[in-house]
Amino acid sequence: GAGVSQSPSNKVTEKGKDVELRCDPISGHTALYWYRQSLGQGLEFLIYFQGNSAPDKSGLPSDRFSAERTGGSVSTLTIQRTQQEDSAVYLCASSLPPGTYEQYFGPGTRLTVT
Amino acid sequence: AQTVTQSQPEMSVQEAETVTLSCTYDTSESNYYLFWYKQPPSRQMILVIRQEAYKQQNATENRFSVNFQKAAKSFSLKISDSQLGDTAMYFCAFMKEGAGSYQLTFGKGTKLSVIP
Repeated sequence: GAGVSQSPSNKVTEKGKDVELRCDPISGHTALYWYRQSLGQGLEFLIYFQGNSAPDKSGLPSDRFSAERTGGSVSTLTIQRTQQEDSAVYLCASSLPPGTYEQYFGPGTRLTVT
Repeated sequence: AQTVTQSQPEMSVQEAETVTLSCTYDTSESNYYLFWYKQPPSRQMILVIRQEAYKQQNATENRFSVNFQKAAKSFSLKISDSQLGDTAMYFCAFMKEGAGSYQLTFGKGTKLSVIP
């Protein structure tokens, strides 16, 4: 079946602009994660959604970052007033409800802030 | 908080040979999972192998096996009969078991090159 998809694949934006990154999880997966992969910091957890529960936002680096998940499926990660340090690959992953533990990753969005 | 350390930034191996990637971790948790993920140039993270901390038997998946030493907090990956398609970044990851967000904590990665 279809895997996790993310769009756009690459995004170049000017410093100070807002960007939206989209993630389509595998159908039926109720858990959704966002991670950030950068040269300096490696892979970092950003946010987690599970069904209708309140998301775990503990990994968001600043209040410029936010995410939502509509209808328990598609998720959008929004970065406001982008800074050069936001340049990274943003990875989305999904999984079945806790108990299976395997996270399936999308191909990521490479964000470049100029 | 958990930390995962991969001490080998880069490694290379001849095709058909065996290579071992190292990973150590630090946690106060008793119940957890450990993973090895592969990331080829396509950026797609792929699960290679998983180990439950409560299991003493080391996990194996075809040419991939782990050496899990719980007391030493060590979790190395052995790749046998290396193939050109094994060329990728390899990440060791930790997940706490139980209620919570099941987030993965990753090491910095090891870049593996398989040489023909």
